[in-house]
Amino acid sequence: DAAVTQKPRYLIKMKGQEAEMKCIPEKGHTAVFWYQQKQSKELKFLIYFQNQQPLDQIDMVKERFSAVCPSSSLCSLGIRTCEAEDSALYLCSSSQGYEQYFGPGTRLTVL
Amino acid sequence: AQKVTQTQTSISVVEKTTVTMDCVYETRDSSYFLFWYKQTASGEIVFLIRQDSYKKENATVGHYSLNFQKPKSSIGLIITATQIEDSAVYFCAMREMSNYNVLYFGSGTKLTVEP
Repeated sequence: DAAVTQKPRYLIKMKGQEAEMKCIPEKGHTAVFWYQQKQSKELKFLIYFQNQQPLDQIDMVKERFSAVCPSSSLCSLGIRTCEAEDSALYLCSSSQGYEQYFGPGTRLTVL
Repeated sequence: AQKVTQTQTSISVVEKTTVTMDCVYETRDSSYFLFWYKQTASGEIVFLIRQDSYKKENATVGHYSLNFQKPKSSIGLIITATQIEDSAVYFCAMREMSNYNVLYFGSGTKLTVEP
């Protein structure tokens, strides 16, 4: 079982609705990452937190997403207004060294 | 430009045989890290094995081993004695020291192990 936890596993939203997904990093890990994966293709980097501070993110996240890590044990990724193209698997990973360890993902479907 | 390239979209093998999956990468860094991950049918991504660029020895973990050819910027994954449960999508990834927070992924190779 993944040491990184993500909830919910499945999320269904209508276009225009807000979506929120949560991640509990592995205990002791100070780096948290979010990725988007569509149709089992390559993972697309979204945002990176180090010690709960966002240090790097892509433009799409700045424009339409909200991401915070209010504590070392909880992070969240939100989409302010869901669009059909946001349908994807959202993966959270955490790291304390070289490797990143992934959670099981939240599969978002936007109808 | 794609930093990590996996040209094999899918491979099918018979169980108990050996399979090699290819991966080439592009970097100007002298120090970098290469990884292989496995994504199961449920979507879960599992870390398998890592190769540090400064190490000449090929990494080995269980029935996974790497064929690191630095002059060719190549990092192949070798799975020996394949099992049905090895069926998954395998991703190659790279992390550069100059951009440490970004993990570049390839597009994945789907492995099917048949009885």
